[in-house]
Amino acid sequence: DAGVIQSPRHEVTEMGQEVTLRCKPISGHDYLFWYRQTMMRGLELLIYFNNNVPIDDSGMPEDRFSAKMPNASFSTLKIQPSEPRDSAVYFCASSPQGNYGYTFGSGTRLTVV
Amino acid sequence: AQSVTQLDSQVPVFEEAPVELRCNYSSSVSVYLFWYVQYPNQGLQLLLKYLSGSTLVKGINGFEAEFNKSQTSFHLRKPSVHISDTAEYFCAVSDRYPGSQGNLIFGKGTKLSVKP
Repeated sequence: DAGVIQSPRHEVTEMGQEVTLRCKPISGHDYLFWYRQTMMRGLELLIYFNNNVPIDDSGMPEDRFSAKMPNASFSTLKIQPSEPRDSAVYFCASSPQGNYGYTFGSGTRLTVV
Repeated sequence: AQSVTQLDSQVPVFEEAPVELRCNYSSSVSVYLFWYVQYPNQGLQLLLKYLSGSTLVKGINGFEAEFNKSQTSFHLRKPSVHISDTAEYFCAVSDRYPGSQGNLIFGKGTKLSVKP
């Protein structure tokens, strides 16, 4: 199994631009999570899906952030417009039903200048 | 709501010495507990988890943790560390109820630095 795959690994963009982060979960995992990691705030849950349906998006910072999961093998996190304070490492994780151990991807390091 | 406190932000230790990374949690309900490890420029990897049963849980890479309900703690230990254990370690907690799979709360992390 290739694990949770995220792309790109690094993204540098200018303030105001749209940024799309991508995630392919492990096949057969029912849950998908998006986390953000910063030095100041640590790991924050942004949103999670169960069977492609968003369950809790209360962690999404503001309307500039949106996430979709059009099918069981793909999810995107979009920031439009991006701001320097969005600079962070964004992780995607997946988990099968009833198994409380998440598998994380390698993350996308986003830098907004 | 739950919360997790990792009491040490950094722990330096010499190679082959024992180490304990401390974690305390707060919750009004029963919980599941986890330890994850993050190596530089990588994602988090599950070290071990406590769901039920024996309070002493063994994980990968020789780590173990003990769930202490009365002290609301879940400290991580290793009797002899190696240089390759240098990483950041995260404690996490989740409520023990159906549908709680989405509310894993992480601590701020402890950076373990193993020196030769």
